[in-house]
Amino acid sequence: SAVISQKPSRDICQRGTSLTIQCQVDSQVTMMFWYRQQPGQSLTLIATANQGSEATYESGFVIDKFPISRPNLTFSTLTVSNMSPEDSSIYLCSVESVHRQETQYFGPGTRLLVL
Amino acid sequence: GDSVTQMEGPVTLSEEAFLTINCTYTATGYPSLFWYVQYPGEGLQLLLKATKADDKGSNKGFEATYRKETTSFHLEKGSVQVSDSAVYFCALSINTGGFKTIFGAGTRLFVKA
Repeated sequence: SAVISQKPSRDICQRGTSLTIQCQVDSQVTMMFWYRQQPGQSLTLIATANQGSEATYESGFVIDKFPISRPNLTFSTLTVSNMSPEDSSIYLCSVESVHRQETQYFGPGTRLLVL
Repeated sequence: GDSVTQMEGPVTLSEEAFLTINCTYTATGYPSLFWYVQYPGEGLQLLLKATKADDKGSNKGFEATYRKETTSFHLEKGSVQVSDSAVYFCALSINTGGFKTIFGAGTRLFVKA
């Protein structure tokens, strides 16, 4: 399995500001994913981060609001831009298993509260 | 479209009770099925999985069997512990030219001492 770390683990931000979340993996992976988990709810896929190309966004999510970088095979960032209280969520990074692509491993998450 | 439905929580049990959390799915094709667990304040961890019909996934005393005829993947444990208190997510993964994972809504389990 992959070991995934995220920074920051939590933050409290003012509306209108932006926050960049970092995801670091201890091994090279092809596919990295960003999810949002709103309070008491399940996970919603925001986008798939591909190394060397633009991220692929799911319906309802746009690059201007959630820009993503994937500079190499072990690192990605997600920025939550122009935040509002509705963006208060846990943001989770995950990676596809190298050996079993149907399996994902998750980071510990970033808890974001927007005031 | 593809979807996962799991029983609503919260589920509250006493220690050593038997646990069942129901999960059914709808999918075109042949998905792999998963249970993930989220302990308080943590990210998701893979609990167990099954990749084809009649496979049984098991881990830490938890089991689930991939039932194609009933499109189900119910999670069971014979004797729960307080440390099992968490949110449990049923999920499926299907290859659509790349694997896509769909999660159920999650079921919160409270185990009382």
